[in-house]
Amino acid sequence: DGGITQSPKYLFRKEGQNVTLSCEQNLNHDAMYWYRQDPGQGLRLIYYSQIVNDFQKGDIAEGYSVSREKKESFPLTVTSAQKNPTAFYLCASSTGTANSPLHFGNGTRLTVT
Amino acid sequence: GEDVEQSLFLSVREGDSSVINCTYTDSSSTYLYWYKQEPGAGLQLLTYIFSNMDMKQDQRLTVLLNKKDKHLSLRIADTQTGDSAIYFCAERVGGGYQKVTFGTGTKLQVIP
Repeated sequence: DGGITQSPKYLFRKEGQNVTLSCEQNLNHDAMYWYRQDPGQGLRLIYYSQIVNDFQKGDIAEGYSVSREKKESFPLTVTSAQKNPTAFYLCASSTGTANSPLHFGNGTRLTVT
Repeated sequence: GEDVEQSLFLSVREGDSSVINCTYTDSSSTYLYWYKQEPGAGLQLLTYIFSNMDMKQDQRLTVLLNKKDKHLSLRIADTQTGDSAIYFCAERVGGGYQKVTFGTGTKLQVIP
């Protein structure tokens, strides 16, 4: 079955440490996205990539970094510069064409103490 | 800029219809989507409507779009306890990178 896999489901880190969240898709989608979800705030776009080796900042990119070396993979690093990293992180992908909806993974809940 | 608003909470009795409302501000929206999120999970696409349509029906789901008022609604007929979840509307604005903006989500509680 095709889909998007995010791992791990739960992640705990100490303040000051960088942490990388994994996102892999086997849907052959060109575009991939990272969103952050906080209670009562909906989803906010962190980074997106429309094609391999290219990515752009979203609305809240500060304190985050990404890479897109392979079509299937779009890892997100939460750096120590991110002031409030505790959140639910969602990865999504789409074909990138005009009417293609986003397909989501099951998310990673990151807790930083 | 884009802004999508939803009420935060809706409670209905099992078997009744649920209507979840959404307003958006960008008149250049191309597609509007409804997603469902169950606890601790990602978002699941329920249905979508193209901006030149007024209505779309898909089994128990009916989407109504009032483009003049920039108002979108999702009606769930015969609501079941399994429909309890958070529902997000989202708009896609056309252009080179077609940005998708999500609302804050409406938590639907179905009372048995």
